[in-house]
Amino acid sequence: NAGVMQNPRHLVRRRGQEARLRCSPMKGHSHVYWYRQLPEEGLKFMVYLQKENIIDESGMPKERFSAEFPKEGPSILRIQQVVRGDSAAYFCASSPLSQGSSYEQYFGPGTRLTVT
Amino acid sequence: KNQVEQSPQSLIILEGKNCTLQCNYTVSPFSNLRWYKQDTGRGPVSLTIMTFSENTKSNGRYTATLDADTKQSSLHITASQLSDSASYICVVTPTRSNDYKLSFGAGTTVTVRA
Repeated sequence: NAGVMQNPRHLVRRRGQEARLRCSPMKGHSHVYWYRQLPEEGLKFMVYLQKENIIDESGMPKERFSAEFPKEGPSILRIQQVVRGDSAAYFCASSPLSQGSSYEQYFGPGTRLTVT
Repeated sequence: KNQVEQSPQSLIILEGKNCTLQCNYTVSPFSNLRWYKQDTGRGPVSLTIMTFSENTKSNGRYTATLDADTKQSSLHITASQLSDSASYICVVTPTRSNDYKLSFGAGTTVTVRA
């Protein structure tokens, strides 16, 4: 059973370009979460999605950032018109359908975005 | 201010020695506290999980403790190995209403030297 997969692992973009980060959850998992990690800081929640639904996007900047989790295919985190401050590691996590106080999120290896 | 603070920020220990990492949190109420290990260039992997009613949990050479009264947790690594070199992250899960919004500490970077 493959774990959470993210690609690309490293992404370099020039200021003003678009960045697309992909996340394939573990098999059987229908909940996806995106986090951002800046150097020397902890992971920060960005968005929580289920298939075709955004459940909570309160941690995501309102401009330039969007996320989706279509019925088929991976979840996509899209950053338009990237700026240097977007440089960070972006982690995706997934969890199974059932949710409770002890459920666990399984993390992918992350995508390291560098904006030049 | 971050709701989960960890100390020290980093430490270096010799192979075979023990070490203890600290975590102070203000998240309240909470349902559980986890310690994760994050290898360089990888995602976090769960080591231990404790509910608010548990005091200690072990996973091999890793032992976590929790004092819910003082809102402190520790992770003790026994007989360290080179493969223990990683960042160790304390993560607190809030109550059920939004238990997906985990609160992460910044981590303690442990370097084990031969």
